[in-house]
Amino acid sequence: DAKTTQPTSMDCAEGRAANLPCNHSTISGNEYVYWYRQIHSQGPQYIIHGLKNNETNEMASLIITEDRKSSTLILPHATLRDTAVYYCIVRKGGSNYQLIWGAGTKLIIKP
Amino acid sequence: DAGITQSPRHKVTETGTPVTLRCHQTENHRYMYWYRQDPGHGLRLIHYSYGVKDTDKGEVSDGYSVSRSKTEDFLLTLESATSSQTSVYFCAISDPGAVTEAFFGQGTRLTVV
Repeated sequence: DAKTTQPTSMDCAEGRAANLPCNHSTISGNEYVYWYRQIHSQGPQYIIHGLKNNETNEMASLIITEDRKSSTLILPHATLRDTAVYYCIVRKGGSNYQLIWGAGTKLIIKP
Repeated sequence: DAGITQSPRHKVTETGTPVTLRCHQTENHRYMYWYRQDPGHGLRLIHYSYGVKDTDKGEVSDGYSVSRSKTEDFLLTLESATSSQTSVYFCAISDPGAVTEAFFGQGTRLTVV
């Protein structure tokens, strides 16, 4: 599975959009991009995933560049409860859900 | 929230003692996983199961064994705990498929003294 590179930490003002970048330059054609977050040492929580098209759900939007070498997770109106570590992961489709986790981005939402 | 329960949630044990952690699910998901997480790091896969009595090793399986005798239960055993196994352990479940999400338990904090 391809590796990902994320900034170690980011700040965002409450109510503003939080944009979290991820580089995955070695991603292959059958690998999906997944985002999870972990709030204060709780179990990780799934946010969103995509293959090549942009995706949106009730939590966030995922923007994947045309060459698929990078992506951005967007939290449209960040709240204090969005303070967490955000993990960008790439994995092949298939039945085995082995995820290779990096250190993620610590996102701090400031009042 | 997905029905995943880990027990115990916290445990302190002595070096050399056996320890068993339990993961119980009520979702009837086929796949179950054990991860460990150490400070400042992401999760690392220890073992996973793709069905009753079907298990396989992950990237950090040394010193750990697992068993799955029922769909709903996945046990992680440290045969002889060492201080390097002090960690937070997470169980996860998923269903087969190309793009399914995984659901995680709340974790077990294990301290080996």
